[in-house]
Order: sequence, then structure tokens, then C-alpha cells
Amino acid sequence: NAGVTQTPKFQVLKTGQSMTLQCAQDMNHNSMYWYRQDPGMGLRLIYYSASEGTTDKGEVPNGYNVSRLNKREFSLRLESAAPSQTSVYFCASSGEGPRGPQHFGDGTRLSIL
Amino acid sequence: GQQVMQIPQYQHVQEGEDFTTYCNSSTTLSNIQWYKQRPGGHPVFLIQLVKSGEVKKQKRLTFQFGEAKKNSSLHITATQTTDVGTYFCAGDQAGTALIFGKGTTLSVSS
Repeated sequence: NAGVTQTPKFQVLKTGQSMTLQCAQDMNHNSMYWYRQDPGMGLRLIYYSASEGTTDKGEVPNGYNVSRLNKREFSLRLESAAPSQTSVYFCASSGEGPRGPQHFGDGTRLSIL
Repeated sequence: GQQVMQIPQYQHVQEGEDFTTYCNSSTTLSNIQWYKQRPGGHPVFLIQLVKSGEVKKQKRLTFQFGEAKKNSSLHITATQTTDVGTYFCAGDQAGTALIFGKGTTLSVSS
């Protein structure tokens, strides 16, 4: 069982570069989420997709865009990376929307110089 | 904005001691979930509580949901080194996505 797969696992970017983080789930879940995790800040929601074809802003959407490519895939794009976006990014999926358990990927550790 | 507060931020215990983390919301939650994240790992779902006053147990872990559905707690009896990690609560304030607390990081010395 692959569950939620994120690529890449690690990435170093220079300020101003663009980057797309990929996420795919094989659990036939409707809802998918992107979080960032910074020390002492817990998990902060960037964007989510309640179902295929819809996306909504979370708590910290500025500087990011998302695409729900199909039911399986939900990508996160940084158009012009900034050092403040250095973080660990987690993708998650849920079969029951916000009222059901979320299954997380292993994360992408992103450093922006 | 909507917040879920979690205390303490850090807790160190000796192996065998008990541990409790608390979660509080300013608004009523339709459900609350608990996750555990091992160092260097990703959050893993532990349990979901839905009913007012609900208590659930998983071996040495006891989870409670307050009567007003605004607070919750996780209690670990007789901690072990395998309990090390960060414990997050996450609340669903109906109609929105889950709001995660900032977590309680537990360290255990043997």
C-alpha cells in the first residue's frame, strides 16, 4: 500500500526559482490537502481540495498555487520561491473530508537560499 | 481567527511516568482528532472523538472529549521510549477544514 506519495523528498532552491511539489494518493479519497510545518508552528493549511475540480485557500495561501489534476493528484506550485517558504511540506488525503482522518505523505523538505 | 490551543508545548518525563496533553478550542468542535508524529516522520492518525463526553482507550493511551465539545485530552499511562514524538490535536469546526494545534513534544528518558 503506497498511500500518499510525495515527490521530491528533498529540494534546495535559489530565491526566485519556481518549483512544483507533487502528491498522489491511491486510496480513492475525495479530499486532499497541502500543509507546511515550521518549528513551533504546528501544521498550517496552505490549500485544500474538497473534491476533484475544487480548490480552496487555507490559512497561509500567499505565494502558492495548487492544481487538482485528477482525483489522485494534487500539486503545489511555488512561482517565485522566497526564503520564508523554507519548510517541510506535507500532503494529506481524506476519504471523509474535514470530518475524517487524514493520511499524510512522508513530506518534502524544501530549503530556499 | 479560529484556533485550537494545545498545552504544554514540551514535556519531558522519566520512563514509567504518566503524560497528559490538553487541547482547547474557543468554539464548539464537531469532532476532534489526535495524531502522532515521530521525529523526522509524518503525522499519523491515532483516533477521532465525536460525541460529547466521549472517552476512548488504546492500550496505554486514553482520549477524552469534553462535555461542551470545546476541549480534549490525551493521557499516556506509564510512558515508554516508544512514546517519544509530537502529539497534535486537530479540530473540525463544522464547515471548515481541520485546524491543528501546535503540538506537544514528548521526550522520555530511560
